[in-house]
Amino acid sequence: DTGVSQDPRHKITKRGQNVTFRCDPISEHNRLYWYRQTLGQGPEFLTYFQNEAQLEKSRLLSDRFSAERPKGSFSTLEIQRTEQGDSAMYLCASSRRERNEQFFGPGTRLTVL
Amino acid sequence: AQSVTQLDSQVPVFEEAPVELRCNYSSSVSVYLFWYVQYPNQGLQLLLKYLSGSTLVESINGFEAEFNKSQTSFHLRKPSVHISDTAEYFCALGTSYGKLTFGQGTILTVHP
Repeated sequence: DTGVSQDPRHKITKRGQNVTFRCDPISEHNRLYWYRQTLGQGPEFLTYFQNEAQLEKSRLLSDRFSAERPKGSFSTLEIQRTEQGDSAMYLCASSRRERNEQFFGPGTRLTVL
Repeated sequence: AQSVTQLDSQVPVFEEAPVELRCNYSSSVSVYLFWYVQYPNQGLQLLLKYLSGSTLVESINGFEAEFNKSQTSFHLRKPSVHISDTAEYFCALGTSYGKLTFGQGTILTVHP
């Protein structure tokens, strides 16, 4: 399967702990996006990269969140000092160009106890 | 700012009946529009897209959507639904920056 992959698929953590998620985009795609989806809502944009450059961050992305994409390949999203409100599905998507459709990974479901 | 409104949170329908899922958008710039589908316990899959050109776009499984600039709408239609179409459908708006703005989703439930 050459689609977008995310790891882990599920993460349960205690409030205050740090968590890190990984996304591997489709290999020839230079744009990578992170979204967050809560129950009953559509995905909300968090941040995106073009190659290794982080071009935009949503105001939803507090100082506790950081994302990287070293070498323009895979990306990581880290949440420090997790809070119960961080519980959500974190989705990664990639695309070849800014206009093209985005291909989504299966998501990482985070539960903060 | 951009926004997307899906007017129905749930749409129940019987098998082989027609269905329309409504989507309205707001944007001050040129937009690209997409419909994504999410089957139970699966990720988002692109159903169809409008980038430019013909305002009527079709998917391989019988869905179609029409871009209506004057009405700022991009409604999704299918003339005859199947049980397998049961899923959550998301309308999304893209801009030249690439990020997508999603609607709240419409759960389509097809009953036998």
